[in-house]
Amino acid sequence: EAGVAQSPRYKIIEKRQSVAFWCNPISGHATLYWYQQILGQGPKLLIQFQNNGVVDDSQLPKDRFSAERLKGVDSTLKIQPAKLEDSAVYLCASSQQGGLGNTIYFGEGSWLTVV
Amino acid sequence: AQSVTQLDSQVPVFEEAPVELRCNYSSSVSVYLFWYVQYPNQGLQLLLKYLSGSTLVKGINGFEAEFNKSQTSFHLRKPSVHISDTAEYFCAVSGVGETSGSRLTFGEGTQLTVNP
Repeated sequence: EAGVAQSPRYKIIEKRQSVAFWCNPISGHATLYWYQQILGQGPKLLIQFQNNGVVDDSQLPKDRFSAERLKGVDSTLKIQPAKLEDSAVYLCASSQQGGLGNTIYFGEGSWLTVV
Repeated sequence: AQSVTQLDSQVPVFEEAPVELRCNYSSSVSVYLFWYVQYPNQGLQLLLKYLSGSTLVKGINGFEAEFNKSQTSFHLRKPSVHISDTAEYFCAVSGVGETSGSRLTFGEGTQLTVNP
């Protein structure tokens, strides 16, 4: 079974530029998550989708971050304009459905450095 | 809302020694508990999870954890570690029956370093 795919793996941009990350979840997984992991910290949920609807985006900085999940499959996370503090690993994850302790599977992450 | 505290940021041990990584949680509702491992430059991999039933949970790679409701703890243990167990370990919690689904709240992580 193919895992969660993310691209690009690494990205370096200057502050105030924009960047987009792409995620393809495990086939058949209805729930998709984007987490932000700053160096030395645990991952923090940015946004959760159930199919193509947003379930939780309470910790997404909406003034600069946006995310969409077209057709309930792939997802894109965008940052515009980027700030130095956005340097982090952006982890995409998926599960069969939200709730009931379903196992969440993570991708390898997209590493962002803002200079 | 839930929170997780991993009591040790770094744990150095010698190969073949036992290890315990400590995790305490706080929640106003019943919880599901998880341990994830992250190897360098990789994503997170599930080690084990507690949903219900037996409080002693066995996972992959010889790890196990015990859920202690009275102490709100979920410590991870392995009787004999290998060099290959060197990694960052994250404890995570999810609230049962939350309308926001299976959102995970992670601890800050514990870096386990196994020395020869």
